[in-house]
Formats: sequence, structure tokens, C-alpha cells
Amino acid sequence: DQQVKQNSPSLSVQEGRISILNCDYTNSMFDYFLWYKKYPAEGPTFLISISSIKDKNEDGRFTVFLNKSAKHLSLHIVPSQPGDSAVYFCAASVTSGTYKYIFGTGTRLKVLA
Amino acid sequence: NAGVMQNPRHLVRRRGQEARLRCSPMKGHSHVYWYRQLPEEGLKFMVYLQKENIIDESGMPKERFSAEFPKEGPSILRIQQVVRGDSAAYFCASSPTATEAFFGQGTRLTVV
Repeated sequence: DQQVKQNSPSLSVQEGRISILNCDYTNSMFDYFLWYKKYPAEGPTFLISISSIKDKNEDGRFTVFLNKSAKHLSLHIVPSQPGDSAVYFCAASVTSGTYKYIFGTGTRLKVLA
Repeated sequence: NAGVMQNPRHLVRRRGQEARLRCSPMKGHSHVYWYRQLPEEGLKFMVYLQKENIIDESGMPKERFSAEFPKEGPSILRIQQVVRGDSAAYFCASSPTATEAFFGQGTRLTVV
């Protein structure tokens, strides 16, 4: 039962353009969402998060959008840089519970110079 | 402020041996999580601990796996009688308030 889904295993984008990574979830109890970036042989690095009371959160080049009715969130990276090439994981949690994260399977982003 | 420290980074064990994975959370963080990543998969939650307490172990296999976070010292994930299917990357994360968690670099366990 995959409660958090990232349906695109990979994405290639030209440097300077926008990267859009998508994530869908099924559990309506999720109220906190996060994006992590992961390089090979390293741990995930926190990027940005959003609470379900918001529909947008922005931090520099990274913006996360949340559509609760569609149970969908997306991460926008603009402009994309070659150093952004990594695997991106979305995660969701129920903050009234134990805060454990349920992760998607990841999307491998490749930014082409 | 050092990040989450995990050791060893790489661990090789023969089938039937025990594996001990250590995690020192960031200073001031009292929430510790363990996750496992199998090849080509996402991270799967295993256990959530606070000092001296297991809060949620719903992701832990029922047998051979145990975790602790003592009052003093690192959190330990212990796998007894390892099998080939235990080969994975094990990540520890810590958090001050159970919101954004910060991950360590992981321990790659290989069972031969």
C-alpha cells in the first residue's frame, strides 16, 4: 500500500529552466509534507516543507505547492542548476501522530548543462 | 553543531552474525528515527524513539531487529542473525521537535 507516490522515476531538464517534481498521496490524514534531496551514498537533505494549512511555501529557488483536494503536491525549482541533479523524495506525516515520515520512491532529476 | 553522525558507514557481516548500527543525533535533538532503504526503493520507516523510550516501532520486523536510545550515548539499531535480505542502507534522522528531521549519511550493510 503505497500511500505516497512519485510516478515519474526520472526527469531531465535544461539548465536555467524550471523543474517540476510531482507527488501524490492517498491518506487524507497527512497534514505535513516535506521534500528531501539525496545524492548517491549520502543521506537525504531537507529542502522545504509545507503544512496542510498552506497551499504554497517558497524558499529561494524552491517552491512547494499543495493541492489538498487533489491530494497532490509539487516541487518547483527555478532556475534549475546542474548541482540540483539528484534524487528527490517527497514525504508526508501526520503531526498528531508520531511524526514518522512516509516517503515516496523518488524522482531522479538530471539538469543538463 | 555537528550533524547526525552514523557509524560505521559501511558494515559487512556474514549470515548469522549480529550487526550494530550507531546513531548520534544532533545536539539538542531528542527525537530519533531509523529508516531503511532497499536497492531501488524509497526510505521505509522502521522505528521512532525518544530518550529511553520507543514511541513507534510499527515498521520494525517482528524478529531479529531491536532499537534503543539510552539516556547516555547513541541510539543503536541491532540486527541479530543477519540474512542476505537485510542488506540495505540504514538511515538515522533526528529532530528537535518532531517536525523537520535531519538525516545522517547512513550505514550500508552488506550481508555475505
